[in-house]
Amino acid sequence: EAGVTQFPSHSVIEKGQTVTLRCDPISGHDNLYWYRRVMGKEIKFLLHFVKESKQDESGMPNNRFLAERTGGTYSTLKVQPAELEDSGVYFCASSHDSRRTGWRSETQYFGPGTRLLVL
Amino acid sequence: GEDVEQSLFLSVREGDSSVINCTYTDSSSTYLYWYKQEPGAGLQLLTYIFSNMDMKQDQRLTVLLNKKDKHLSLRIADTQTGDSAIYFCAERVNRDDKIIFGKGTRLHILP
Repeated sequence: EAGVTQFPSHSVIEKGQTVTLRCDPISGHDNLYWYRRVMGKEIKFLLHFVKESKQDESGMPNNRFLAERTGGTYSTLKVQPAELEDSGVYFCASSHDSRRTGWRSETQYFGPGTRLLVL
Repeated sequence: GEDVEQSLFLSVREGDSSVINCTYTDSSSTYLYWYKQEPGAGLQLLTYIFSNMDMKQDQRLTVLLNKKDKHLSLRIADTQTGDSAIYFCAERVNRDDKIIFGKGTRLHILP
């Protein structure tokens, strides 16, 4: 079974430009999460999709960030326009929907992350 | 509030035991996790413990939970060079919810 994949692995852009990050979850996983780790700080939750619907977007920092998951498969996270403080590692994770599986704790499987540097 | 605290660095001699400590604030946390991140890699789930458990052992890993003090620890027995990584303590209140992470403890192995 393939794991969570993310593209690109690295991105270096200038302030004001646009960047789109992509996440392909594990096949069959309804839950998809985006997290971000800014240098030296915690890994912070950004948002959670259940299939194509946004379940929780309380962690999105501002309206420069737009996440989509059309069709409930892969997801994109667009930053437009990018600012210096957006630099960090963006992680994606996916899991089964525990309401369907009945398991007490559905493991979130993380991708390798996209390292974004805004200059 | 949601807050997970852990020390940032730990140095241990190869062959010794490593103990990484963590405190959390949300008493309603149901699941507590330890994730490992090796250089250039993603987050790997090492182990997790339910809040109704005190201890969980898995080969060289032992997780201890003191729910009263909201304290979680990870012990790695016979620490090897391959254990060098950042270890993240994390909590989750409900299944399918977001995970709340600490800043990570960088484990450095001394020869």
